[in-house]
Amino acid sequence: SAVISQKPSRDICQRGTSLTIQCQVDSQVTMMFWYRQQPGQSLTLIATANQGSEATYESGFVIDKFPISRPNLTFSTLTVSNMSPEDSSIYLCSVNRGSIYEQYFGPGTRLTVT
Amino acid sequence: DAKTTQPPSMDCAEGRAANLPCNHSTISGNEYVYWYRQIHSQGPQYIIHGLKNNETNEMASLIITEDRKSSTLILPHATLRDTAVYYCIVRVGGETSGSRLTFGEGTQLTVNP
Repeated sequence: SAVISQKPSRDICQRGTSLTIQCQVDSQVTMMFWYRQQPGQSLTLIATANQGSEATYESGFVIDKFPISRPNLTFSTLTVSNMSPEDSSIYLCSVNRGSIYEQYFGPGTRLTVT
Repeated sequence: DAKTTQPPSMDCAEGRAANLPCNHSTISGNEYVYWYRQIHSQGPQYIIHGLKNNETNEMASLIITEDRKSSTLILPHATLRDTAVYYCIVRVGGETSGSRLTFGEGTQLTVNP
């Protein structure tokens, strides 16, 4: 398995501000993934982050709204920019690990925008 | 990625086996079946995966039909802590551009005392 930590674990933010979420992994990984889980819903992939290259965003997500950094093989950040109440969600990072690259998830960051 | 179909909810008595079905009739030959679960307010947890053969680990067993169009996750002795949403996902193995996980709605399993 993988040990993944996220900071902050939760936050309450005002509309129009930005929040940067950090994800730290206990060992080097090639790909890191960012997901969003809106209240009562399933997980949706936001983007895939490879070290040394631009993140690849899924349909419906754009870099201006969710800029991602991947400065090394154990760390990534996701910024939620110009927040609105619709951004209230749990944001999770995950990595591939194991013989067939099963994914492991961090504990999530619970964001509430007021 | 192939789509999956799961019942939205199931109940199980504590100590009994929980059998969670999943249909994936459009699965491709190079796609694996993965199972994850998400206990309330936590990140999803990997349970097990398989390609063709049945698999067993310390958490569960995975039974895949011979035509690979459906599978069943078995929790042999369910406990209250197994109450969670269970996701069945099919995707290619390995670390490729096709290896993203696509989550459906999953099955809410409730284990009752």
